[in-house]
Amino acid sequence: AQSVTQPDIHITVSEGASLELRCNYSYGATPYLFWYVQSPGQGLQLLLKYFSGDTLVQGIKGFEAEFKRSQSSFNLRKPSVHWSDAAEYFCAVGAPNKLVFGAGTILRVKS
Amino acid sequence: DAMVIQNPRYQVTQFGKPVTLSCSQTLNHNVMYWYQQKSSQAPKLLFHYYDKDFNNEADTPDNFQSRRPNTSFCFLDIRSPGLGDAAMYLCATSRAGQGNYEQYFGPGTRLTVT
Repeated sequence: AQSVTQPDIHITVSEGASLELRCNYSYGATPYLFWYVQSPGQGLQLLLKYFSGDTLVQGIKGFEAEFKRSQSSFNLRKPSVHWSDAAEYFCAVGAPNKLVFGAGTILRVKS
Repeated sequence: DAMVIQNPRYQVTQFGKPVTLSCSQTLNHNVMYWYQQKSSQAPKLLFHYYDKDFNNEADTPDNFQSRRPNTSFCFLDIRSPGLGDAAMYLCATSRAGQGNYEQYFGPGTRLTVT
């Protein structure tokens, strides 16, 4: 069965600092991987996705993620965090007619 | 812009009083989903429609029902809401056959049960 693990429930970074959010997945076939962001009281916005090809994918808002098959990971990164990045981030793996989400990581940004 | 729309954004209902949440889409996607998201948790899939075919998740309570009268609209009916049903309800769509499982989400409806 598919599963996604986000080991960090909360992360706090200083504004301007770099960010890495971890995601590990379990999936028997070629994974389709997603990162979504959710601001309080809002729906899910797609940050980026990986289907195939280049393992480093660029997304919106300056985010990028790297797919590492050997580590079953798809970590999200940003070189310089802005206060507006404070939100909850969900990693997900695509499966037939469903997305399997991780538990989410809440990002706090301190000034 | 093509999008997924949910109405209302906020809904308050009384314990045991039926409530219906609405979702519409202009993406012309053939699959529509309903997720329940409780505070600080990941979204949990309740069911989905593949065209007109309804697919219930095994652990979705019977209290939750859905209707899809046409391609564009999908409704979530909660027959007798309990306090535990207070949550954010997210609608999503996808185009089956693309093979990548990407889903497009609406802004959600926050349900409060009093």
